[in-house]
Amino acid sequence: DTAVSQTPKYLVTQMGNDKSIKCEQNLGHDTMYWYKQDSKKFLKIMFSYNNKELIINETVPNRFSPKSPDKAHLNLHINSLELGDSAVYFCASSLGTGNTIYFGEGSWLTVV
Amino acid sequence: GNSVTQMEGPVTLSEEAFLTINCTYTATGYPSLFWYVQYPGEGLQLLLKATKADDKGSNKGFEATYRKETTSFHLEKGSVQVSDSAVYFCALSDQNTGNQFYFGTGTSLTVIP
Repeated sequence: DTAVSQTPKYLVTQMGNDKSIKCEQNLGHDTMYWYKQDSKKFLKIMFSYNNKELIINETVPNRFSPKSPDKAHLNLHINSLELGDSAVYFCASSLGTGNTIYFGEGSWLTVV
Repeated sequence: GNSVTQMEGPVTLSEEAFLTINCTYTATGYPSLFWYVQYPGEGLQLLLKATKADDKGSNKGFEATYRKETTSFHLEKGSVQVSDSAVYFCALSDQNTGNQFYFGTGTSLTVIP
């Protein structure tokens, strides 16, 4: 009964490829997020959806495109992967905004 | 604007030592404050939180008090264990800025036996 689950956990891919990371939460939350964590552990918000509507869209290359088919899912698609995209991507959710955020276990992306 | 500043790491302590990780914040309103912990290879987990001034959050022997006068939310534990080795993140959410979360840069703690 994982609360926030994301797949795949590990992904190694070549530059120029397109890849997706899927996320699902079973907490009944209405707000979902994507965060990027770099090698120094710095955490940066990328996107946030509330009731399937995009509410936060930080300065992220437009190669990154989130998609929220319903309140329980938020997927991240990345086109034309670059070396600098190598990082850990965390999906997260919360009930409303400003309340405790629950994180998934992360997806380790390595671009070679 | 809003921001969170926490002490630089890494921090290395011996088992049973006293831990303090400093965190100060800047906010336009009256934020809620959080400490998250990230164990190796895992996602962030909520450790404790406080929603108003003078509140004390506590969990697993850790505690932090919301100090409005010093805009601080320092994390403390009286006696650390090896299993406390992790990265600790201070964070705030502020109603005045749409409840967006602001995370600090994280402080890595290593506890040696």
